[in-house]
Amino acid sequence: DVKVTQSSRYLVKRTGEKVFLECVQDMDHENMFWYRQDPGLGLRLIYFSYDVKMKEKGDIPEGYSVSREKKERFSLILESASTNQTSMYLCAAGTSGGGEQFFGPGTRLTVL
Amino acid sequence: GEDVEQSLFLSVREGDSSVINCTYTDSSSTYLYWYKQEPGAGLQLLTYIFSNMDMKQDQRLTVLLNKKDKHLSLRIADTQTGDSAIYFCAESMITGRRALTFGSGTRLQVQP
Repeated sequence: DVKVTQSSRYLVKRTGEKVFLECVQDMDHENMFWYRQDPGLGLRLIYFSYDVKMKEKGDIPEGYSVSREKKERFSLILESASTNQTSMYLCAAGTSGGGEQFFGPGTRLTVL
Repeated sequence: GEDVEQSLFLSVREGDSSVINCTYTDSSSTYLYWYKQEPGAGLQLLTYIFSNMDMKQDQRLTVLLNKKDKHLSLRIADTQTGDSAIYFCAESMITGRRALTFGSGTRLQVQP
């Protein structure tokens, strides 16, 4: 019954490293999203994509980029990781008409 | 703009009913969601409701929507210790950006 998977549950990287977070969905949904979750700040939208090769900035896109080469896969890229990007990263997928949005299990990233 | 607010904490005794409240500000047609997050886990979609509905019931869960006051509630009947988690209210538009706007989450603690 797996719907959204993320490549890693836990990740530790060093400042300045390039980091790839992968997300795959098996529901054939058009929309995919990347959020980060921080204590006291809730979930905030980083980027989203409504179609292959299409992307839109969310509320906090600085320091991140994304890639969507195939419908089922949405990647979040930290070009040069910094300590303030230590967080829980959550990927989600949903239909273009709204309604259900399913989340992956999350990746807890620590940048040292 | 969208803004979603929730109280931070709720404590109930096992077997009692829990009611978690949420207010939202967007007046457009929208979907409203309840998600559950257990410690160390991702977000699990519990239920969602379209803004032209007043109520939705699913086993122990009842969602009530007061459109006039922009107030959404989640009632959990016969609350169990396994219901202890953080519950997030979220909102998304039916047109344009489909990303979710989250409340800060309500931590539900169930006392045995």
